[in-house]
Amino acid sequence: KAGVTQTPRYLIKTRGQQVTLSCSPISGHRSVSWYQQTPGQGLQFLFEYFSETQRNKGNFPGRFSGRQFSNSRSEMNVSTLELGDSALYLCASSSGGAGDKQFFGPGTRLTVL
Amino acid sequence: AQKITQTQPGMFVQEKEAVTLDCTYDTSDQSYGLFWYKQPSSGEMIFLIYQGSYDEQNATEGRYSLNFQKARKSANLVISASQLGDSAMYFCAMRDLRTKAAGNKLTFGGGTRVLVKP
Repeated sequence: KAGVTQTPRYLIKTRGQQVTLSCSPISGHRSVSWYQQTPGQGLQFLFEYFSETQRNKGNFPGRFSGRQFSNSRSEMNVSTLELGDSALYLCASSSGGAGDKQFFGPGTRLTVL
Repeated sequence: AQKITQTQPGMFVQEKEAVTLDCTYDTSDQSYGLFWYKQPSSGEMIFLIYQGSYDEQNATEGRYSLNFQKARKSANLVISASQLGDSAMYFCAMRDLRTKAAGNKLTFGGGTRVLVKP
């Protein structure tokens, strides 16, 4: 099976712009979670989508949003970018059951100038 | 709320030796899962091993084993026979298994950087 793919791998944006990141989960997986990783805050949970519905949400401002499509692919959007949004954004997929292992993609590294 | 603590920010280990990475957790939940992930410099998080709170035996996956001490709330990772390719960041993480609504949210520790010396 192909692994989790994320596009693009690298992005450079300027403050105030918006950005959309994409994640394609492993075939058959219905759950996609998003995480932000920064040197200062570490790995923080953004949100999870399961069968096109947001199942859980972390403590991030409303500028961070996401969605999931019927084929389980997910996108996350960040509007009005701030310098502090510079981070590695990781998505993880699983089948969604209790105790399921989550498999991560390679991440998208976003730099905000 | 769940909290994961990894007290070792970094450590060196000699090739072919074993290394133990510490992880303590804090939760009031009775049903939870504990994970270890490896993150090489490329950035991708690689799943290593999983332990459920009700699992009676310690988990093992090849060279990785998890020393699970529930009463002490610790879940240390043991890597046997270290290899140069083991040099990476290692993260301990926890997930609430009580309800479906808890979903797949993982709470991560701060990580431990391991450098294997030849």
